[in-house]
Amino acid sequence: EADIYQTPRYLVIGTGKKITLECSQTMGHDKMYWYQQDPGMELHLIHYSYGVNSTEKGDLSSESTVSRIRTEHFPLTLESARPSHTSQYLCASSAPTGPSSYEQYFGPGTRLTVT
Amino acid sequence: GQNIDQPTEMTATEGAIVQINCTYQTSGFNGLFWYQQHAGEAPTFLSYNVLDGLEEKGRFSSFLSRSKGYSYLLLKELQMKDSASYLCAVRPRSRGSTLGRLYFGRGTQLTVWP
Repeated sequence: EADIYQTPRYLVIGTGKKITLECSQTMGHDKMYWYQQDPGMELHLIHYSYGVNSTEKGDLSSESTVSRIRTEHFPLTLESARPSHTSQYLCASSAPTGPSSYEQYFGPGTRLTVT
Repeated sequence: GQNIDQPTEMTATEGAIVQINCTYQTSGFNGLFWYQQHAGEAPTFLSYNVLDGLEEKGRFSSFLSRSKGYSYLLLKELQMKDSASYLCAVRPRSRGSTLGRLYFGRGTQLTVWP
């Protein structure tokens, strides 16, 4: 079983608030990812990281930011939440190069609702 | 991005066999993955193909043809708990900071009836 955690699991927040979605993994994985997924739609990569102090934007334009100060921690921050940010946010990690580098392990997700 | 296509929905009955197809077009290829995602839950890894042929894992098998840009997931002896979305994901050949990225299809929602 994968050891990757996300908090909170559910969040309802008003427009304009600043929020941080937490993601932690205890597997020592170098690679970490943030995806956004709407019901019935594909996962869209919004940010990824290949190690400490290395982050990149993904395919989906996002108003969020990320940081990677420690290997195990990859938080995502929205400076000013808007209703268009309402979605499911999934964090994932994968092993560094080697036979197991292909598999991404997903956290349970955070369902965000912005009112 | 990558062009990944799979059917939106499929239905089947308990005990039956179902095949979920996935076609893709990528700039280089370095592996195809199948994930299962139950409603409201995170995706979980099912299978991985990087060479042509069939990979079998219990009731689930996955096939790949790189020349055709085609894969399928075969589920045998269907059970009610197999009702879920099945995601096809492709890892294109890449290097440097993009190494390891996956591109996901929209998923196929499978409903298993008693």
